[in-house]
Amino acid sequence: QVQLQQWGAGLLKPSETLSLTCGVHGGSFSGYYWKWIRQPPGKGLEWIGEINHSGSTTYNASLKSRVTISVDTSKNEFSLRLRSVTAADTAVYYCARFTSLKAVATSLWGYLDLWGRGTLVTV
Amino acid sequence: DIQMTQSPSSLSASVGDRVTITCRASQSVSTYLNWYQQKPGEAPKVLIYAALDLQSGVPSKFSGSGSETDFTLTISSLQPEDFATYYCQQTYSFPPTFGQGTKVEIK
Repeated sequence: QVQLQQWGAGLLKPSETLSLTCGVHGGSFSGYYWKWIRQPPGKGLEWIGEINHSGSTTYNASLKSRVTISVDTSKNEFSLRLRSVTAADTAVYYCARFTSLKAVATSLWGYLDLWGRGTLVTV
Repeated sequence: DIQMTQSPSSLSASVGDRVTITCRASQSVSTYLNWYQQKPGEAPKVLIYAALDLQSGVPSKFSGSGSETDFTLTISSLQPEDFATYYCQQTYSFPPTFGQGTKVEIK
């Protein structure tokens, strides 16, 4: 059974860099897009960005200047870095797998079918 | 960006009630519309994808309908484990966006 295990620092000071990693265990890493989503306390869900096994990325325009998502295919892991954090970045951060409805992996036209447990990051 | 608007934002219902939640997109998303359930302290879980397809393992009391801009999620007979927050999401165009959520509470 495929599982996503995520880890990283949960308490940051303003201007520091958020760093989280998500490991994919028990299943294929290629053939999917892998996404980061965040949820401020008591609020809704916001897409941060995504990556595939080849390293192709897309970011939310509102965060693009501060975000980097990378992949380590040798470890089946992908990571999120968010620079210059402020209190507005306080949220639960989730990693998730995106399954495409198309014959090939796409970053749209599908759904998030597997989620990590989430990491509360407090700034 | 495509704006997703859910209604109502919250509702109170009794066990056994039929519940309907609506999601409206600010422009057409075809049928690239998903529904998620989130319980407190947990990650969201997909219930319905592509507007009407039931995710494997999800009870058939959940159903989805709609296309283009108007979608509904229906719970045919509400059970105690269904009290949660429900989100719609469009994956038709970037950025993929979520509705603000509908909290289903016990009456």
